[in-house]
Amino acid sequence: DGGITQSPKYLFRKEGQNVTLSCEQNLNHDAMYWYRQDPGQGLRLIYYSQIVNDFQKGDIAEGYSVSREKKESFPLTVTSAQKNPTAFYLCASMGILWGYTFGSGTRLTVV
Amino acid sequence: GQQLNQSPQSMFIQEGEDVSMNCTSSSIFNTWLWYKQDPGEGPVLLIALYKAGELTSNGRLTAQFGITRKDSFLNISASIPSDVGIYFCAGQLYGNKLVFGAGTILRVKS
Repeated sequence: DGGITQSPKYLFRKEGQNVTLSCEQNLNHDAMYWYRQDPGQGLRLIYYSQIVNDFQKGDIAEGYSVSREKKESFPLTVTSAQKNPTAFYLCASMGILWGYTFGSGTRLTVV
Repeated sequence: GQQLNQSPQSMFIQEGEDVSMNCTSSSIFNTWLWYKQDPGEGPVLLIALYKAGELTSNGRLTAQFGITRKDSFLNISASIPSDVGIYFCAGQLYGNKLVFGAGTILRVKS
């Protein structure tokens, strides 16, 4: 079945560490997105990529980095520069027409 | 930038009641979408609307695309406990990224 897979489901980060969240899709979608969600809050766009080897900053890109070397993969690195990284992270992809398909999310906690 | 105003922010209703939520925008969109997010999961698409004035149903869910293309509502009839979650509206211009509302948190009292 086609879909979008995020891993790990839960991730713990020590202060000062960089961590990378994985997002893989087999939907043959060109566009991929990363969102951050804080408890009881809406979705805030971190980065997005509309084609391979190209990506754009979203509304809250500071402290994050991404790469898009393959169409299927769009990993997100949360760097030590992100001062408040504890949140739920959602990856999404979009095909030609409309709407996003979301992954099941990664919950990141700073310990 | 584009913004969607979604209301109410949260609802606490009795099982069996009908629910209504809506989104408005100062911008015109080609497509309106409604998503539901269960706790700890990613949002799942409920209904997509493409034409101004379009009324679409999906089981107990009914959504309408406003005639001006600047608003939409979602109704849930006869709510049940599994309706709990966060409901997001989203607007989309063709081929572009979605603009999301802040979400409506639905809690159902059984």
